[in-house]
Amino acid sequence: GESVGLHLPTLSVQEGDNSIINCAYSNSASDYFIWYKQESGKGPQFIIDIRSNMDKRQGQRVTVLLNKTVKHLSLQIAATQPGDSAVYFCAEDMKTSYDKVIFGPGTSLSVIP
Amino acid sequence: EAQVTQNPRYLITVTGKKLTVTCSQNMNHEYMSWYRQDPGLGLRQIYYSMNVEVTDKGDVPEGYKVSRKEKRNFPLILESPSPNQTSLYFCASSSTGVGKNIQYFGAGTRLSVL
Repeated sequence: GESVGLHLPTLSVQEGDNSIINCAYSNSASDYFIWYKQESGKGPQFIIDIRSNMDKRQGQRVTVLLNKTVKHLSLQIAATQPGDSAVYFCAEDMKTSYDKVIFGPGTSLSVIP
Repeated sequence: EAQVTQNPRYLITVTGKKLTVTCSQNMNHEYMSWYRQDPGLGLRQIYYSMNVEVTDKGDVPEGYKVSRKEKRNFPLILESPSPNQTSLYFCASSSTGVGKNIQYFGAGTRLSVL
């Protein structure tokens, strides 16, 4: 079936290092992907998105890479800070009549000071 | 401030006692949605609404009802709650225009059904 999943449920990184969070998707027709960040006690917040006509998109300290050949998505966070500690979700636009979005199970990122 | 507001934030109830979780957004968004979040399962869509008086089932609609009488409000109704509905619930909204896929989430409602 169609699904969006994350390879690593938990990730611990040293403050100042770069973080990489991975995501696999299975729907070849999906053409839009979104990363959300969920801090403890809060709802998910939009971080960055990418369309399938792009391989890479950069934001402030974050970069999303899309590899359509292997249906893989990654979120890179540069110079990880304690405030980056959160659960990160990738989401896939399923291209249904109302642009249904499917969320992956999430990866918990812990930053070690 | 643009926001999605859910109430209550925490709720403990007993099996069978009807409850409503309210959701309101001030961004004039057409699209609203309810999700439940359970450990290891991510966010699963319960119901969604494309506009006033237009609602449809998501992936896990059993045991839930919704209504959309006004654009800003999208309450979630549990007519007869059961323990398997103990979960963290999120309401979200988005525009149907540019950036339509980006959803804005409320802070969540943690529900425990005893």
